[in-house]
Amino acid sequence: DGGITQSPKYLFRKEGQNVTLSCEQNLNHDAMYWYRQDPGQGLRLIYYSQIVNDFQKGDIAEGYSVSREKKESFPLTVTSAQKNPTAFYLCASSILINGGEQFFGPGTRLTVL
Amino acid sequence: ELKVEQNPLFLSMQEGKNYTIYCNYSTTSDRLYWYRQDPGKSLESLFVLLSNGAVKQEGRLMASLDTKARLSTLHITAAVHDLSATYFCAVAYSGYALNFGKGTSLLVTP
Repeated sequence: DGGITQSPKYLFRKEGQNVTLSCEQNLNHDAMYWYRQDPGQGLRLIYYSQIVNDFQKGDIAEGYSVSREKKESFPLTVTSAQKNPTAFYLCASSILINGGEQFFGPGTRLTVL
Repeated sequence: ELKVEQNPLFLSMQEGKNYTIYCNYSTTSDRLYWYRQDPGKSLESLFVLLSNGAVKQEGRLMASLDTKARLSTLHITAAVHDLSATYFCAVAYSGYALNFGKGTSLLVTP
């Protein structure tokens, strides 16, 4: 089955801890994205990557970091510098032609205790 | 800065009725997407609109794009309960990154 997987589904973090959210895709897509969704809100872009070993900041990158060492993987680290990390995190991927439709993973719900 | 505005944000409608959700955006873009989200779930792609005048239909949903007016519409025909969900429009900027509206929460009642 082709698709995007995210893990874990639920994550609890203590204040001051860094945590890493996993995102893997086997769709052979070049581009990958991380979005944050707060209750009753739309999605906001954190980081995106269009090629291995390269990535760009989105609108709310502060307190987050990413890496893109493999085409299939785009992990997101939520650092202790992110003051309000409780949210639903969605990873997406797309090709870079034919409209670039983004396909989304199932999401990770992060809660800070 | 690209701004995307949807209205209404909340919509309660009776089964069998028709209604339209509007998506306005502030700067030029030729790619607009509609997604559906069920509570607690991820986003499901509904429509990809790539050119001025594009119209796409799937079942009771029809989406259109007017790039000159910077407006997309999602029209619901003869609503049924299964259409209850939150609908997002998203506009492409900076390559293929997307800027999302806040979503329209739709509730279809008997």
